[in-house]
Amino acid sequence: GESVGLHLPTLSVQEGDNSIINCAYSNSASDYFIWYKQESGKGPQFIIDIRSNMDKRQGQRVTVLLNKTVKHLSLQIAATQPGDSAVYFCADTYGNNRLAFGKGNQVVVIP
Amino acid sequence: DTGVSQDPRHKITKRGQNVTFRCDPISEHNRLYWYRQTLGQGPEFLTYFQNEAQLEKSRLLSDRFSAERPKGSFSTLEIQRTEQGDSAMYLCASSSEQGKLFFGSGTQLSVL
Repeated sequence: GESVGLHLPTLSVQEGDNSIINCAYSNSASDYFIWYKQESGKGPQFIIDIRSNMDKRQGQRVTVLLNKTVKHLSLQIAATQPGDSAVYFCADTYGNNRLAFGKGNQVVVIP
Repeated sequence: DTGVSQDPRHKITKRGQNVTFRCDPISEHNRLYWYRQTLGQGPEFLTYFQNEAQLEKSRLLSDRFSAERPKGSFSTLEIQRTEQGDSAMYLCASSSEQGKLFFGSGTQLSVL
């Protein structure tokens, strides 16, 4: 959903369940995508990346899916833990040196 | 800790004053970036260095903003004649390859 002012889209998830965070991007020429996690008072922390020649990439407890047809990116977190509570940002870039960040998604893990 | 280091963590200043922030990137990284982030928003690109050369600047970077990386290692971001609208988190990031940026904890600027 759209964020309004300070209100980020929020996903509340029970500890141990899987989380899915979605992101839409606008530049069909984007060739590199990255997910960041940001905790309060800290800088964004790299989670996982994917290049446009792939449609899926897995890390430790995380999977990124890329659908170039509909310009959609998702981050799946398996067995969500309280430490996963944070704001998650997707970012993309095309051939240049700047990452363009989307609006964040707040994940709240319920113990 | 060999991550990106930023100083100070917090800065409170009065409107019209000049402020300077410092960033120490990861030592082997030749690329250094400055971003700005306001509450509830994603980081916005300001400028990019490769070694000591400033290769890209955003239109967001007005002429009151200047960034340097004189020896290709640490960088400074100066804001002259600060305005209340400059209040934000200023983030520095570094990388050794295109795209994968590692961020510092940022400098939170409050302009009164």
